[in-house]
Amino acid sequence: EIVLTQSPGTLSLSPGERATLSCRASQSVSNSYVAWYQQKSGQAPRLLVYGPSARATGIPNRFSGSGSGTDFTLTISRLEPEDSAVYYCQQYDTSATFGPGTKVEVK
Amino acid sequence: QVQLQESGPGLVKPSETLSLTCTVSGYSISSGYYWGWIRQPPGSGLEWIGIIYHTGNTHYNPSLKSRVTLSLDTSKNQFSLKLTSVSAADTAVYYCARLSSGWTTSPFDYWGQGTLVTVSS
Repeated sequence: EIVLTQSPGTLSLSPGERATLSCRASQSVSNSYVAWYQQKSGQAPRLLVYGPSARATGIPNRFSGSGSGTDFTLTISRLEPEDSAVYYCQQYDTSATFGPGTKVEVK
Repeated sequence: QVQLQESGPGLVKPSETLSLTCTVSGYSISSGYYWGWIRQPPGSGLEWIGIIYHTGNTHYNPSLKSRVTLSLDTSKNQFSLKLTSVSAADTAVYYCARLSSGWTTSPFDYWGQGTLVTVSS
């Protein structure tokens, strides 16, 4: 099983700042089959980016993904208060697993 | 617009079988794509349970494989989850979702709102 580790656990930033979220895999993820989801309190996760840099439909270009092998990054430029959420990475190369999440607080 | 809605009992007794159904609207599940289940224990992260193709082909999380069965009912445009021999550790919000393509190497692009299932006597 590919285990995903996310860092930091919590990120507290101000509106307009840039957030950099990390996702590290226990082994190489083929073809960069990694996705990022945003989950707000009480809601289902929402697909942001995948593969690892394609944005899902309707996702603003403030969200960007990058990486390869075992290291992947989600960058949120110009944070807005509505970006406060937990962000999960997922690998869908070998079966599928999720990381433990990074909580982003924008205030 | 594809929409998914989970339904089923909110309370299941230990050792019994958890059964949930996902009703899909806006797309015929017999036309393609993989359809799946993900769960989230209260205050915890996401766990992938398994996926089923429109042909009935399935893939399960190895840690749950012995207890999980996914099935389709194309006449009702629904797919279902059965999880046997449940315990308190199976208490979670259960989500149904769709993979973004007909390949297993795809992320989930459409999600249901989730349904909380509590395992308790």
